[in-house]
Amino acid sequence: DAGVIQSPRHEVTEMGQEVTLRCKPISGHNSLFWYRQTMMRGLELLIYFNNNVPIDDSGMPEDRFSAKMPNASFSTLKIQPSEPRDSAVYFCASSLTGRAVNEQFFGPGTRLTVL
Amino acid sequence: AQTVTQSQPEMSVQEAETVTLSCTYDTSESDYYLFWYKQPPSRQMILVIRQEAYKQQNATENRFSVNFQKAAKSFSLKISDSQLGDAAMYFCAYSGTYKYIFGTGTRLKVLA
Repeated sequence: DAGVIQSPRHEVTEMGQEVTLRCKPISGHNSLFWYRQTMMRGLELLIYFNNNVPIDDSGMPEDRFSAKMPNASFSTLKIQPSEPRDSAVYFCASSLTGRAVNEQFFGPGTRLTVL
Repeated sequence: AQTVTQSQPEMSVQEAETVTLSCTYDTSESDYYLFWYKQPPSRQMILVIRQEAYKQQNATENRFSVNFQKAAKSFSLKISDSQLGDAAMYFCAYSGTYKYIFGTGTRLKVLA
């Protein structure tokens, strides 16, 4: 298996532009997570899907952020409009969830820079 | 609500020595998992070790072992025979029912 795939690996954009980050989870995994990592705030969970349904989106910072999972093999995280404070590394992770969430497999991350 | 606390922002260890990273958590659940993840400079998050709460025996993976104290809600990671490649951020994580929480991380430096 190729592991969790994220694209793009790096994204540089200007303030006000729309940004879309993409994630392909490991085949067979039923949970998907989006995280944001910064030096100041560490690793923050943004949203968690189980069987393509958002379970916990309490970490989504504001309405500018939205996430979708139209099927079991694809998810997007969109920021519109983007702001410089959104600059961070965004990770996608997937897991096989049973009675609790098991080990998460992380993608390589997308480094987002908003100028 | 569940919480995970790593009280050591940074630790240093001499190569070949042993170091212990601390993690405490709080939960009212009885069934959960605990994890230690490593994030080297490459940024890739890698699972180091996993502990299931209902198992009393401490997990071990080669040079990595945990000291799981369920009553005290403590889950420390011991790295034996430290190597330069162990230098990284280490995150403790809790997994319960529809909850997955990471600690703030401990940066481990390995001195040659």
